Amino acid sequence: DSGVTQTPKHLITATGQRVTLRCSPRSGDLSVYWYQQSLDQGLQFLIQYYNGEERAKGNILERFSAQQFPDLHSELNLSSLELGDSALYFCASSVVPLAGDTGELFFGEGSRLTVL
Amino acid sequence: SQQGEEDPQALSIQEGENATMNCSYKTSINNLQWYRQNSGRGLVHLILIRSNEREKHSGRLRVTLDTSKKSSSLLITASRAADTASYFCATREIQGAQKLVFGQGTRLTINP
Repeated sequence: DSGVTQTPKHLITATGQRVTLRCSPRSGDLSVYWYQQSLDQGLQFLIQYYNGEERAKGNILERFSAQQFPDLHSELNLSSLELGDSALYFCASSVVPLAGDTGELFFGEGSRLTVL
Repeated sequence: SQQGEEDPQALSIQEGENATMNCSYKTSINNLQWYRQNSGRGLVHLILIRSNEREKHSGRLRVTLDTSKKSSSLLITASRAADTASYFCATREIQGAQKLVFGQGTRLTINP
């Protein structure tokens, strides 16, 4: 058990809908990362937050947004869903924002999104 | 875009044999990490090697890093059926955003 909690584990929805994925990082971790894993794209970095502030952004679509709340949990919002958004969405946390030579990420078990 | 590329994409060996996976990357890095993913599960960190290190060991794992060739290898010795998983390398670039970029992974199958 990594200590990172993601909900829901599975989600099935229709095209055009909006969903929210939730992540609770490990106790004490200030950084949260979101990744998308699909069969043909591997593990794609979406966005990183550190103590409530956005720190790095990857190839995140404009239809996607995220935030980190004062209690450090994070939410990833996916809107106007398309078939191609079907994927595993992972949240990971770390103590520091990859500063220095640290940087191990602790991953949750993921939220599997299926768009029909 | 992907920074690291693992090779081979898939590897199947007999239990007890050694498994070697390679990773190549494109830009200067701060560190390189290897992760393991059991089917459909979250990734688990295996080992981190810094840019000024050449080799690192952890149990049955041996990682090498050649920054001149921008490549790394992960060796799993005396493989076990439980080692069956996908293995990913991930790099943290020196420049630019502080993000960890993953490769496409190597799918390792250990046959009993």
